[in-house]
Amino acid sequence: RKEVEQDPGPFNVPEGATVAFNCTYSNSASQSFFWYRQDCRKEPKLLMSVYSSGNEDGRFTAQLNRASQYISLLIRDSKLSDSATYLCGHNQGGKLIFGQGTELSVKP
Amino acid sequence: DVKVTQSSRYLVKRTGEKVFLECVQDMDHENMFWYRQDPGLGLRLIYFSYDVKMKEKGDIPEGYSVSREKKERFSLILESASTNQTSMYLCASSYSVTSGDTGELFFGEGSRLTVL
Repeated sequence: RKEVEQDPGPFNVPEGATVAFNCTYSNSASQSFFWYRQDCRKEPKLLMSVYSSGNEDGRFTAQLNRASQYISLLIRDSKLSDSATYLCGHNQGGKLIFGQGTELSVKP
Repeated sequence: DVKVTQSSRYLVKRTGEKVFLECVQDMDHENMFWYRQDPGLGLRLIYFSYDVKMKEKGDIPEGYSVSREKKERFSLILESASTNQTSMYLCASSYSVTSGDTGELFFGEGSRLTVL
């Protein structure tokens, strides 16, 4: 089993839709969790850190479920500019391990 | 503004050649990382470093080595390039938050290597 697993998609959604991504991890000792966004032909950039209490930043909400070992990202009111690949990652002993990424395409 | 600079955006090498990929960061970060990114496989960690002259193997270190002689520079070396090392290579750096933890990763723009 991969250490971090994501549904690669692509997720094709209309503008204004709500879309959710899940990411499962296998190492229960993982210390901290992240969502990164990667635009086409660009480098990944941090979107959100994921805290045990969950956190929200505008249209984006990230949650952590330690019991079931997954993190989620919810995007409300999708914009065309949200089209990108979303990578989840977790910190294990100082190294950041990523999933394979979920591709999102928001259509007009 | 954090800057991570990778020396070459595109390289084409032949099988068996020695390849150096250079990465420099200007924010005095302790941690530096090398990943490769392939379609369907995502980002995979090759090597990382917590400090000068220190290195740790990631998940796929075979066929690679690294060098960190100065804090700001982390080099990835392919001693004898093979076609299965054709990939996008991404360097990243970060602060140490606490022991065993890392802050936000800042990535370079990537080096696309083709091995013929």
